[in-house]
Amino acid sequence: AQSVTQPDIHITVSEGASLELRCNYSYGATPYLFWYVQSPGQGLQLLLKYFSGDTLVQGIKGFEAEFKRSQSSFNLRKPSVHWSDAAEYFCAVAPSGNNNDMRFGAGTRLTVKP
Amino acid sequence: DAGVTQSPTHLIKTRGQHVTLRCSPISGHKSVSWYQQVLGQGPQFIFQYYEKEERGRGNFPDRFSARQFPNYSSELNVNALLLGDSALYLCASSKQGGSYNSPLHFGNGTRLTVT
Repeated sequence: AQSVTQPDIHITVSEGASLELRCNYSYGATPYLFWYVQSPGQGLQLLLKYFSGDTLVQGIKGFEAEFKRSQSSFNLRKPSVHWSDAAEYFCAVAPSGNNNDMRFGAGTRLTVKP
Repeated sequence: DAGVTQSPTHLIKTRGQHVTLRCSPISGHKSVSWYQQVLGQGPQFIFQYYEKEERGRGNFPDRFSARQFPNYSSELNVNALLLGDSALYLCASSKQGGSYNSPLHFGNGTRLTVT
């Protein structure tokens, strides 16, 4: 079945530590891939996206993600987490190439310890 | 510049009632999409409208309908509300219908509670 999986429901890291949020997808071809962040009471903000080309993509707020075709993964990373990064993170795919029709994972909630 | 605005921000309805949610896209954006986000889950695609025409529909019952007006604002209507319709309803706009280079901009959502 076509799906987007974020295996970690909740992750806690210390401020200044590195972060990796996992995302796996199961679609026939390589879809458009996205990471969004949602702070409490707010809508979603696009962090970065991938369609083709360099498999390491840079986004806003110091985030990056690496596409690995062999693993059907698109993991999000940040070298040093700030307290303001605490939020819900969603991986999403646009399987049809229409980025208005996106399929989201269930999200990973990030808590940052002082 | 104003972002995507949604109204109301919160709404409480009773089972069986009807609800209308409203969305104003960013100026210059012609595409509006609607998503439902149930607590603890990721958003689910409901509809996309571009240039006042429906361009996409997710797996939602016919109780859900939407439309886009000449000024590109949009309404989402839900009839015969069920408890399971309680969710955050997100509106997103983009300049074009589905281009990879036309990212979605999300509003802060309408929190609907059905009792």
